[in-house]
This record gives sequence, structure tokens and C-alpha cells, in this order.
Amino acid sequence: AQKVTQAQTEISVVEKEDVTLDCVYETRDTTYYLFWYKQPPSGELVFLIRRNSFDEQNEISGRYSWNFQKSTSSFNFTITASQVVDSAVYFCALSEAGTNAGKSTFGDGTTLTVKP
Amino acid sequence: DVKVTQSSRYLVKRTGEKVFLECVQDMDHENMFWYRQDPGLGLRLIYFSYDVKMKEKGDIPEGYSVSREKKERFSLILESASTNQTSMYLCASSLVAAAYNEQFFGPGTRLTVL
Repeated sequence: AQKVTQAQTEISVVEKEDVTLDCVYETRDTTYYLFWYKQPPSGELVFLIRRNSFDEQNEISGRYSWNFQKSTSSFNFTITASQVVDSAVYFCALSEAGTNAGKSTFGDGTTLTVKP
Repeated sequence: DVKVTQSSRYLVKRTGEKVFLECVQDMDHENMFWYRQDPGLGLRLIYFSYDVKMKEKGDIPEGYSVSREKKERFSLILESASTNQTSMYLCASSLVAAAYNEQFFGPGTRLTVL
């Protein structure tokens, strides 16, 4: 069965600090997809990034970067020079290609607070 | 842009009432989902649908049913609301029933059952 663990329930940083959100997953499928979503205080989850299991290249988008390591079953998310607008709940999710295609399992989320 | 709308942002109902939560998406997506979100429990899947009139149970379907009569609309029904169904309900959609598709979420309905 697929499982996603976000061990950090809450993180608080001061603006301009770097912060890493951890995500560890479990799956028996060889083909799967990992996602990160952001839920700002307004409530609507927004898709940030997708990674497939065959592509371990790290990705950078502005202040955001993602580190995918199959050896440790992790897909961590780093925000560089954090800003108050980064305050949100962040969810990591996993979808397996082999079963119930299109259904994702979400982690419990990490609440990030960035203080000015 | 894909838009997923939910009929109410806030709803207050009494125990035993039948409750309908409506969700509409405007981008011809095949897949639609209903989740509930509770503090410390993340998002838990209640039901999903990959086609009109098709539905599949998620992880916590007990006490809920769904209806998908039209492709763009997916309704969540609480047959007899109970206080333990007080929660935030999120609707989502994705293009097709494939693992690589990201989901698009609505703003959520915060339901309180008294």
C-alpha cells in the first residue's frame, strides 16, 4: 500500500531563512508520481510540482527547489530566502501508476510559518 | 485556467439532516474527487469518480454517498449528518484517470454539524 509521511507537523522560520520540508514515501510500484501542493490561508490547494519515478533530476524554480532521491524514498522541498507569502500548509502526494490510476495519497501536511 | 467551484464556503447543519455538497469544474475533466481535511490527518479521500455515473470508494466512504449525473458536477451527500462529520470538505478534479495528472482543487466547504 502506498504511504506518504511528512514528519514535520509545523515549522517556523524568520524571513530570509532557508527551509526544507521533508517527504518520505512508500510504494511497491516501479512507476509512480510525486507531487507537492501548497495550501495558503485562503484554503485552496495549488499544485507546485510533479516528478515521475524515472526522473531523479533535481528541479529549481526561482526560490523553490526539489530533491528527489529514490535510494532514500524521499522527495524534499526547499524554499530559499523564505518570505511571509510562503506561509502555508504544504502537502506531498504520491500516485501509483499500477492501481486506481488518478488517485493520490497525501501526507498529513507541514504547516510553514514565515515570520517577518 | 481550470476552475473548481463548491456551492458553499461555510455550512451549518443539524444532526440527522441530509446534506448536499456540490462541486462543479469547468474544464471537461474526467476525474473528480471528494476529500475531507481535518487537523493532523491531512487529506483523506472519501469518493472519486472517473466518469459520469461511475464512482469508487476512497479511504473513508462510510456515512457518505456521491452522485455524478453530469461530467462537470460531482455531489457529496451526507445521508444523515452527524457531529463527527464536522470538517473541511475539498473537491478536486483532474484531466483523466492517470497517475501523472495533478489535481485542481476548489476552495473548500467548512461544514459544521450541530
